[in-house]
Amino acid sequence: QKEVEQDPGPLSVPEGAIVSLNCTYSNSAFQYFMWYRQYSRKGPELLMYTYSSGNKEDGRFTAQVDKSSKYISLFIRDSQPSDSATYLCAMSAEETSYDKVIFGPGTSLSVIP
Amino acid sequence: GAGVSQSPRYKVAKRGQDVALRCDPISGHVSLFWYQQALGQGPEFLTYFQNEAQLDKSGLPSDRFFAERPEGSVSTLKIQRTQQEDSAVYLCASSLGGVEETQYFGPGTRLLVL
Repeated sequence: QKEVEQDPGPLSVPEGAIVSLNCTYSNSAFQYFMWYRQYSRKGPELLMYTYSSGNKEDGRFTAQVDKSSKYISLFIRDSQPSDSATYLCAMSAEETSYDKVIFGPGTSLSVIP
Repeated sequence: GAGVSQSPRYKVAKRGQDVALRCDPISGHVSLFWYQQALGQGPEFLTYFQNEAQLDKSGLPSDRFFAERPEGSVSTLKIQRTQQEDSAVYLCASSLGGVEETQYFGPGTRLLVL
């Protein structure tokens, strides 16, 4: 079993839809949770950063963390064609003095105009 | 300011050839990371530098992989005697340093070993 699991998709939605992306993980030491967006042939870029459990909202994006279930989610409201990309969940623990990040395999999202 | 840059963007190598991949981090960033991203997968950690010190190389898949950052800025990832399974995108990221610091990724070098 991999440390971080994520449905690879592809996920295809119409423009304006609400998108839900999810990850599960096995390591209870993870404290920092991130969502990255990766466009084709580009490096990942950080979208959301959350510490421990709870919700965080930034514009059309909402990140949720449920540590008791080892489950994290990213919601995208009013999805746009420009949101079409691969979404990577990522997480790290406080065990190291630096941010050693473990990534999920990514979910490919297409938003159809 | 400029982001993280990597060169070359694409590299085709014959099996057994040595390759060197370069990363120019954001100026002033203490931490530098190398990741390997196979097709359809997330990035996998290879190694970490704090300034010129390589503090973690636990992700390097074999002793054919070697990374250096001699002056604490530019870093080079070298792969000796390349194999087909080395074909992947190699990503470099840099950050100011420490936990909770955002990692900024470069565009990656796409390596294809024939």
